[in-house]
Amino acid sequence: NAGVTQTPKFQVLKTGQSMTLQCAQDMNHEYMSWYRQDPGMGLRLIHYSVGAGITDQGEVPNGYNVSRSTTEDFPLRLLSAAPSQTSVYFCASSQTVNYGYTFGSGTRLTVV
Amino acid sequence: SQQGEEDPQALSIQEGENATMNCSYKTSINNLQWYRQNSGRGLVHLILIRSNEREKHSGRLRVTLDTSKKSSSLLITASRAADTASYFCATDATLPETSGSRLTFGEGTQLTVNP
Repeated sequence: NAGVTQTPKFQVLKTGQSMTLQCAQDMNHEYMSWYRQDPGMGLRLIHYSVGAGITDQGEVPNGYNVSRSTTEDFPLRLLSAAPSQTSVYFCASSQTVNYGYTFGSGTRLTVV
Repeated sequence: SQQGEEDPQALSIQEGENATMNCSYKTSINNLQWYRQNSGRGLVHLILIRSNEREKHSGRLRVTLDTSKKSSSLLITASRAADTASYFCATDATLPETSGSRLTFGEGTQLTVNP
């Protein structure tokens, strides 16, 4: 039981490049979310999903896309990377409402 | 804007003392959760308190929730140096349009426990 797996752990992108951050969970959780964490700050919600085929925008969705074609996977796509997207990205999943979330170990992204 | 706000932003105590962190939020919630983050690591779920509960315990942790004041507190008793970490409150709010919910975080309290 691996929990929530995020890949890659580190990534450097040039401005304008696109990439996909991968997130997979093996706990059959319905809810999945993506957050970004900037230095000294809390987590800000980017996009979230309450089940396969259902996604919605969080607090800071601009510049990011998501899809949820399976229960297990919830990839986050950066369409055209900008330096402002330099951050640590966390994926998390939860069984359903009124359950705690399990977090991945994060992807540290630098955009130069 | 973020839902929860923690107070204080930073707290430094001696080992063995109790640590209290507070959280205020703005909207109706299903539950409120507390998480811990060690430096450079992911978040770990500590405890969840539902909107119809007023107090909950887990080991050395005690959480209270006052929905009339939209506030919560986390008490860590008999603190240890290993408790040094950032602590975040997070609120789980219902989404009528999807019948689901989403979790949003405050900015956290940095706790330092000195040996």
